[in-house]
Amino acid sequence: NAGVMQNPRHLVRRRGQEARLRCSPMKGHSHVYWYRQLPEEGLKFMVYLQKENIIDESGMPKERFSAEFPKEGPSILRIQQVVRGDSAAYFCASSPNEGSYNEQFFGPGTRLTVL
Amino acid sequence: RKEVEQDPGPFNVPEGATVAFNCTYSNSASQSFFWYRQDCRKEPKLLMSVYSSGNEDGRFTAQLNRASQYISLLIRDSKLSDSATYLCVVDQAGTALIFGKGTTLSVSS
Repeated sequence: NAGVMQNPRHLVRRRGQEARLRCSPMKGHSHVYWYRQLPEEGLKFMVYLQKENIIDESGMPKERFSAEFPKEGPSILRIQQVVRGDSAAYFCASSPNEGSYNEQFFGPGTRLTVL
Repeated sequence: RKEVEQDPGPFNVPEGATVAFNCTYSNSASQSFFWYRQDCRKEPKLLMSVYSSGNEDGRFTAQLNRASQYISLLIRDSKLSDSATYLCVVDQAGTALIFGKGTTLSVSS
């Protein structure tokens, strides 16, 4: 049973470009969470999605950031017009059931560098 | 007050030592508590859940004090492989996890 998959593992973008980060949850998991870890900081919650629905996006910046989890395919975190401050590790996690009382399994992360 | 606070360390201990980490959280409505481990900025991995009655897993013991909003992790007989950053994690209203910044442990021979 493959774990949570994320790609790319490393992504380099120039300021103003778009970044697309992908996350495939563990088999049988329908709940996906995105977190961001800035250098020397802890992980910060961004968004929680179920298939075709955004459940909680309270941690996601209102501008330039969007997330989706379509019926088919991986969850996508999209960052438009990236700035240097977006450089961070972006982790995706999945769980089989609703609620954070369930263990969340993390993917290896995508490290975004904005030049 | 930060949502989850931890002593950042680093804790430098010799092999075989016993080390304790502490954590406080601000949201009294939190229901679930965890310790995660993170190696070299890789993905966090669940070390153990923390229950009100306290729980033990081998060399690791976790305690929760809801009244004081305090969580602890005790590691006995430290191994070199225990060197990592330990993250105190609390749930937020049943959806997101709130992470502390982590406590760094370095075990030396």
